[in-house]
Amino acid sequence: GQQVMQIPQYQHVQEGEDFTTYCNSSTTLSNIQWYKQRPGGHPVFLIQLVKSGEVKKQKRLTFQFGEAKKNSSLHITATQTTDVGTYFCAGRIGSNYQLIWGAGTKLIIKP
Amino acid sequence: DGGITQSPKYLFRKEGQNVTLSCEQNLNHDAMYWYRQDPGQGLRLIYYSQIVNDFQKGDIAEGYSVSREKKESFPLTVTSAQKNPTAFYLCASRPGGGLAGAGEQFFGPGTRLTVL
Repeated sequence: GQQVMQIPQYQHVQEGEDFTTYCNSSTTLSNIQWYKQRPGGHPVFLIQLVKSGEVKKQKRLTFQFGEAKKNSSLHITATQTTDVGTYFCAGRIGSNYQLIWGAGTKLIIKP
Repeated sequence: DGGITQSPKYLFRKEGQNVTLSCEQNLNHDAMYWYRQDPGQGLRLIYYSQIVNDFQKGDIAEGYSVSREKKESFPLTVTSAQKNPTAFYLCASRPGGGLAGAGEQFFGPGTRLTVL
């Protein structure tokens, strides 16, 4: 079936370092969403990207949607302890009501 | 407060028993979803409903059943036919209308089911 591949599975960073997670789809996406799930919690919506080449920023977070609408990335600058959690991308194909979820990237801050 | 509630937060059942997980929303959303999450994995869609009295199978519907008799409620039954039911179950909803399928999903706090 259709899949959205997300890498890496884990990323260990020192507080203050940057973090990036990537999502790739073999199929063109109509839009892509990003969610954050804190440990023990539920996914919380961060943003939706719709346009080819779109870049959106939320404070230290930068989201990109590729020109071909098949890949996306989330970059966090100068990580803080509050950024800890798992970041998921979820893509939509056409007008399908389903989201296709990546496996998530877990951000771990080294002590 | 508007939101999605799931109860209970933790649920233990013996193997072979059916169990129903509750999901209620007061957001007036048309679409509702049930996902399963296993440790270290993403979300897998079990069932979804776009409107009252209608629902569709997701990727892993076998061993599960749902109903959508009211807009606010979308209960999930985990039957004894589900081979490995221990997991974290998440319910979500989304407003209808607009570009089909677009828009964020709002999640409930989840139910952690353990089958002994």
